[in-house]
Amino acid sequence: GAGVSQSPSNKVTEKGKDVELRCDPISGHTALYWYRQSLGQGLEFLIYFQGNSAPDKSGLPSDRFSAERTGGSVSTLTIQRTQQEDSAVYLCASSSSTGGVLTEAFFGQGTRLTVV
Amino acid sequence: AQSVTQLGSHVSVSEGALVLLRCNYSSSVPPYLFWYVQYPNQGLQLLLKYTTGATLVKGINGFEAEFKKSETSFHLTKPSAHMSDAAEYFCALRGGASSNTGKLIFGQGTTLQVKP
Repeated sequence: GAGVSQSPSNKVTEKGKDVELRCDPISGHTALYWYRQSLGQGLEFLIYFQGNSAPDKSGLPSDRFSAERTGGSVSTLTIQRTQQEDSAVYLCASSSSTGGVLTEAFFGQGTRLTVV
Repeated sequence: AQSVTQLGSHVSVSEGALVLLRCNYSSSVPPYLFWYVQYPNQGLQLLLKYTTGATLVKGINGFEAEFKKSETSFHLTKPSAHMSDAAEYFCALRGGASSNTGKLIFGQGTTLQVKP
């Protein structure tokens, strides 16, 4: 597609429920990132995928959070047993890589998650 | 460890005045540096980037930034502020070009207010 697409744009869920957030990166981009942006806060790194390499999961805040990237394209961020502190905007971004050199990251519009 | 510090969470300028948003970084390897802008309820848009070469980089909407290694800084400037520049601005760091170091580290962001 023309840009990074995220769905849903808004999600309201009850505390304790599981949620899945989807990201469609720009076609051909090998790198994909997830970030979390809480109200008034900066961007918190969650996870980074690059090609077939093992993902960098160092930013995942707890074992309730997990992410997959199927076929090197679409990614799903799953939050299990959601808590109110999980309420935030979840941003996905992608980059292309040529000869091991990454371009800048292009961001989607984000998914606003509200846990009630 | 790599880090980005943006000095001033809020900056207010008058329309037509100089815009200066400060960013300092810490990196053990030559950094790639970026400035992103975020308008309300939108994703992040790249303003400009420094990778290698010329230390003064020009971006969109009249913004520019200068990489100063000795000062570990990458401040963003614009000679004359427009009302449309009101947004949140993020400085980001990537530790070099390699896709193995693809994680982007963001500062906390600076909200720019432009007064008429």
